Order: sequence, then C-alpha cells, then structure tokens
Amino acid sequence: GAGVSQSPSNKVTEKGKDVELRCDPISGHTALYWYRQRLGQGLEFLIYFQGNSAPDKSGLPSDRFSAERTGESVSTLTIQRTQQEDSAVYLCASSLARDMGDNYGYTFGSGTRLTVV
Amino acid sequence: GEDVEQSLFLSVREGDSSVINCTYTDSSSTYLYWYKQEPGAGLQLLTYIFSNMDMKQDQRLTVLLNKKDKHLSLRIADTQTGDSAIYFCAEKEGNTGKLIFGQGTTLQVKP
Repeated sequence: GAGVSQSPSNKVTEKGKDVELRCDPISGHTALYWYRQRLGQGLEFLIYFQGNSAPDKSGLPSDRFSAERTGESVSTLTIQRTQQEDSAVYLCASSLARDMGDNYGYTFGSGTRLTVV
Repeated sequence: GEDVEQSLFLSVREGDSSVINCTYTDSSSTYLYWYKQEPGAGLQLLTYIFSNMDMKQDQRLTVLLNKKDKHLSLRIADTQTGDSAIYFCAEKEGNTGKLIFGQGTTLQVKP
C-alpha cells in the first residue's frame, strides 16, 4: 500500500482480556518496528523485524507481549491478559533499510490507541 | 541503554524562529533524526543528519550537530501556526541500527 496501515485505530478492552494489533507495512519494506507511546511520553521501542532474521525482542516489557511477522508482510502484536498500564498508542513503522548502515527513514502508521478499562 | 533527552515544551510567536534542543548518549550513532507528530497522527520524518556533518539546511529547517557534546538542535525559521506539534529527536544506535527517541518537545506557536 501507499503507507503503513494499522488496525484497529482505537481499541477499548477490559482488563485481563487479550488483544491483537495489526500492522501492514509498505510493500517491499524489509524492516518493521513496533513502538509504544504512553500519554505525554516519547516512543518506547518494543520489537524489530528485519527480513527473515530472528527478531530483536529486547524492548518487549513482559512475556505478556509477543509479535509475529511472516516474511516481509503483515505483523501482529499480541498483548495477553491486558493491564491498565498497557494503555498507550502502539505505533508501527517500516523501512527499506537492510542493515544498520542504511539510512532509510522509518515510515510510521497512525497507531492503535489501546485503552484498558 | 542509550538515552535521548529533550526539553518538554517551547512556546514562540508566529514569525519568530524556534530552536528545539536534544542531547544523546551514543557516541557511535550514525544518523540523527527529527520527526514531527501532529495530534492524532503518526510520526513524520522532517529531516536527518549524518553523524560526520555539523549542519544541514532544508528550506526553513536547520539542523546543527555538535558531536563532541552530543548535542543536536532543530531551528525552524519563520515559525507558523501549522508548525505546532510535538517534535521528536532520535538517534540511530550504532551497534543495533534501532532508532532511540527522546520524549518529544511540544511546540506551541501563538498567533
């Protein structure tokens, strides 16, 4: 597609339920990132996929968080047993960059606003 | 881990210049970026600078980099009300390639 597409745009869920967030990157972008943005704060790195390499999961805050990506296509971020502190905007970005030396900017989606009540 | 710090808020009058400052810790950063986030929207890349440069100009935007002090600034000339947004500084970590973001500076432009 023309841009990075995320769905849903808004999600309200009850504490303890599981949620699944979806990111559709720009076609041909090998790198995909998930970030979390809490209200009034900066972006917190969660996970990074680069082609078929093992993902960098170093930013996932707990084992309730997981993400998958098949090849260079759609990614899903799953949060199990949601807690109120999980409330945030979850941003996905994709990039053409194939290694750390490439300077291709990230293109961000508009995010999914998750509210846990 | 690496850290990026920004002041949280800046208020200017329309037509004035705005200067948003950022400091970072990773001396092996390869690129540094400025992103803009308007309300309810994702992040939009404004400009970037390679770590071996000290200045880059792009229309109303000027980026200054002091690599010795690990200080980055974004100057917006002739600031307009449409420039009101949150501005994020980010560094590309040298050993991982990940972008590490600051907490964002809210720019308020008064008419």
